[in-house]
Amino acid sequence: DVKVTQSSRYLVKRTGEKVFLECVQDMDHENMFWYRQDPGLGLRLIYFSYDVKMKEKGDIPEGYSVSREKKERFSLILESASTNQTSMYLCASSGNSILSNQPQHFGDGTRLSIL
Amino acid sequence: GQQVMQIPQYQHVQEGEDFTTYCNSSTTLSNIQWYKQRPGGHPVFLIQLVKSGEVKKQKRLTFQFGEAKKNSSLHITATQTTDVGTYFCAGPRSGGGADGLTFGKGTHLIIQP
Repeated sequence: DVKVTQSSRYLVKRTGEKVFLECVQDMDHENMFWYRQDPGLGLRLIYFSYDVKMKEKGDIPEGYSVSREKKERFSLILESASTNQTSMYLCASSGNSILSNQPQHFGDGTRLSIL
Repeated sequence: GQQVMQIPQYQHVQEGEDFTTYCNSSTTLSNIQWYKQRPGGHPVFLIQLVKSGEVKKQKRLTFQFGEAKKNSSLHITATQTTDVGTYFCAGPRSGGGADGLTFGKGTHLIIQP
């Protein structure tokens, strides 16, 4: 069974801090994704990656960056945290295909609060 | 860009009643996926539809993909308390599959015993 593990369930940081959210998957998936989930807005894609060292902007990349140094690990970075980045962050991975979407497997999420 | 609209946002039903959520896209979709998120949990993949007019069933759940591949629906027959949660549809961000998914905002199913 696919396991996507996010490093923290809850995290509290201060405005202006640099924040790292870590995600690891154990299924050798090429594709990894970061979403944020807010009430009434659903899931919105921040960044995704199809391979090591590769990254693509999603729909709301502003204020975020990512790192994919190893295939199994995809990190989301808040360069200078702001209160409007308080949210639930979900990491997901999927198997390899550039021709059709494969099912995405989600981690349990990190509820991040920026004070 | 690609937009996926989902209605209703909330649906209250009595246990045993049926439930339907609808998904509409601004563009033709190559495929559509459905996910369920239990309260406090994470989205879990339910099914993928690919063919025009496709209908798939999973026990009490029936999924349909429209003939024009721009709309889809999920119907639950005789709801049970285990069906509580938020149901999301998701389509490709681009015409093919190379740019991830765009999710609808979800339908929250609330069941009154």
